Amino acid sequence: QKEVEQNSGPLSVPEGAIASLNCTYSDRGSQSFFWYRQYSGKSPELIMSIYSNGDKEDGRFTAQLNKASQYVSLLIRDSQPSDSATYLCAVIRIGSARQLTFGSGTQLTVLP
Amino acid sequence: EPEVTQTPSHQVTQMGQEVILRCVPISNHLYFYWYRQILGQKVEFLVSFYNNEISEKSEIFDDQFSVERPDGSNFTLKIRSTKLEDSAMYFCASLGRGSSYEQYFGPGTRLTVT
Repeated sequence: QKEVEQNSGPLSVPEGAIASLNCTYSDRGSQSFFWYRQYSGKSPELIMSIYSNGDKEDGRFTAQLNKASQYVSLLIRDSQPSDSATYLCAVIRIGSARQLTFGSGTQLTVLP
Repeated sequence: EPEVTQTPSHQVTQMGQEVILRCVPISNHLYFYWYRQILGQKVEFLVSFYNNEISEKSEIFDDQFSVERPDGSNFTLKIRSTKLEDSAMYFCASLGRGSSYEQYFGPGTRLTVT
């Protein structure tokens, strides 16, 4: 059973549009949620963390968490070609050594 | 801005050889991790290290793997007898103290086993 699921994409949006990325997780013991961006051949780069239900905004990025639905999303406003990357959803379980469990990622392409 | 560093960036080795991958975590961080990513697959947890000992390890982290913090700065992953299927990107990550669980990743080491 997959623990963290994401649509693999690819997801294409035009420049300036809103990109919406979704993630579901199966373990109700998950307590902390993260979005990482990964360019091809590079390491994951932390974009957002969210720990409680609701929205969290940081610049063009908004993370949304709904623990009842076991759902996390990332919205990217005013998408730029430089946002083209794979976006990884990751969670941490309560009581663990705080290791991240990753989804397989959604590939986003922003078209100029 | 502090960052995690890793060496080498690329390691090529023959099957059966030992390799050591090196990481320098962010200096005031306390929790250290190794992850791997096989080409085209998701990032997978290998092992976590805290207070000079392994705190958790995955099924992947079998007897051929070991970790060490030989001094106050380096954190190493050793693979004793490499197999073809060990070819992957290996990422080190570190986490500081406090309520934020944000982990920061190094640039990775690409391991190629031939």
